Amino acid sequence: GQNIDQPTEMTATEGAIVQINCTYQTSGFNGLFWYQQHAGEAPTFLSYNVLDGLEEKGRFSSFLSRSKGYSYLLLKELQMKDSASYLCAILDSNYQLIWGAGTKLIIKP
Amino acid sequence: ETGVTQTPRHLVMGMTNKKSLKCEQHLGHNAMYWYKQSAKKPLELMFVYNFKEQTENNSVPSRFSPECPNSSHLFLHLHTLQPEDSALYLCASSQDGQGAINEQFFGPGTRLTVL
Repeated sequence: GQNIDQPTEMTATEGAIVQINCTYQTSGFNGLFWYQQHAGEAPTFLSYNVLDGLEEKGRFSSFLSRSKGYSYLLLKELQMKDSASYLCAILDSNYQLIWGAGTKLIIKP
Repeated sequence: ETGVTQTPRHLVMGMTNKKSLKCEQHLGHNAMYWYKQSAKKPLELMFVYNFKEQTENNSVPSRFSPECPNSSHLFLHLHTLQPEDSALYLCASSQDGQGAINEQFFGPGTRLTVL
């Protein structure tokens, strides 16, 4: 079966660093996406990884290990506006996106 | 603004009503998608259209009926829904559909409540 696991909720402090993990078991792998979704709004694209390693984009970085079926999203210098849900999604062998349930990130001052 | 618009943003309907959700994308994309998002559950892909042709139908009940008149517009027709169909319905588009790797752009969604 296909399975994607993310923590349901995390809390972090403004200015700090937080790492959101995603583990997966899917039929094939054509890449991993991270999306951000603020409450009541559309999900928006953050990153795409298909090769092992770290991709850095400003305050956000995404890491992938295909052999371990593992990814994380690293958010640095947290701001209040980073409070949102973060969705992990895998592009499977049929190029269909399989979604995790999302991690709700709460930032406290 | 993501370039994908959805109307209405909120909809309350009874189980005997018929209503339609509308999605429009202004990005020149060739693929469009309908998703259902329920609280604390993964996004569920409902339908995929690629170049106006339906390429995926993930065992969605017939009370949901999609229509794609052209590459820019997508509708979801609703009839005799059940209370468990209450959810956020998201539309998305991407440059290409099946067999392609490209990000999806989402609309803001329609919050549907079935009484």
